[in-house]
Amino acid sequence: NAGVMQNPRHLVRRRGQEARLRCSPVKGHSHVYWYRQLPEEGLKFMVYLQKENIIDESGMPKERFSAEFPKEGPSILRIQQVVRGDSAAYFCASSQLPGGGNNEQFFGPGTRLTVL
Amino acid sequence: QQPVQSPQAVILREGEDAVINCSSSKALYSVHWYRQKHGEAPVFLMILLKGGEQKGHEKISASFNEKKQQSSLYLTASQLSYSGTYFCGTLDNYGQNFVFGPGTRLSVLP
Repeated sequence: NAGVMQNPRHLVRRRGQEARLRCSPVKGHSHVYWYRQLPEEGLKFMVYLQKENIIDESGMPKERFSAEFPKEGPSILRIQQVVRGDSAAYFCASSQLPGGGNNEQFFGPGTRLTVL
Repeated sequence: QQPVQSPQAVILREGEDAVINCSSSKALYSVHWYRQKHGEAPVFLMILLKGGEQKGHEKISASFNEKKQQSSLYLTASQLSYSGTYFCGTLDNYGQNFVFGPGTRLSVLP
């Protein structure tokens, strides 16, 4: 049983470049969540998606950040024109049913983004 | 609104007990507990639902006081493997706004 897969595990970008983070949920899971974690800090919710729909993006900055979860393929978190403050670990989680209610979320290993 | 966790950090000797608390200013539907080891992904421990239902590991126990909007995680006879940062996550009574607390760092020493 494959868990949540994220790639790349480490990503280095220069200021102004674009970062694309990929997340493949557990097979059969149709709910995906993205979180950002700064060093020594907690998990900050960014966005909650179901297949082809953004359910809640209240935690995502209005500019430069976007997310999608297409019918086929992984979920993508896209950060345009990265700045040094974007450096963080980005975790993806998935659940079979809507998580945060009575269903656990399965976390991927994270992508560590470093902006030079 | 982010729940509050206490203590921020705790250091134990192997075999000692610990309690980690999580409180919210709003009415809650559920409380989740996760543990994250340094450099790793968070791992699910337990869910406590309004009404008393629980889902989680047998060796972990927790309580959920709906009226006080508080939850406590009980770690008994701690082992070295319990070390990590413990996060609670809360979902409000409207079934919206799932948010994690800032975490409690637990260190178990031999």
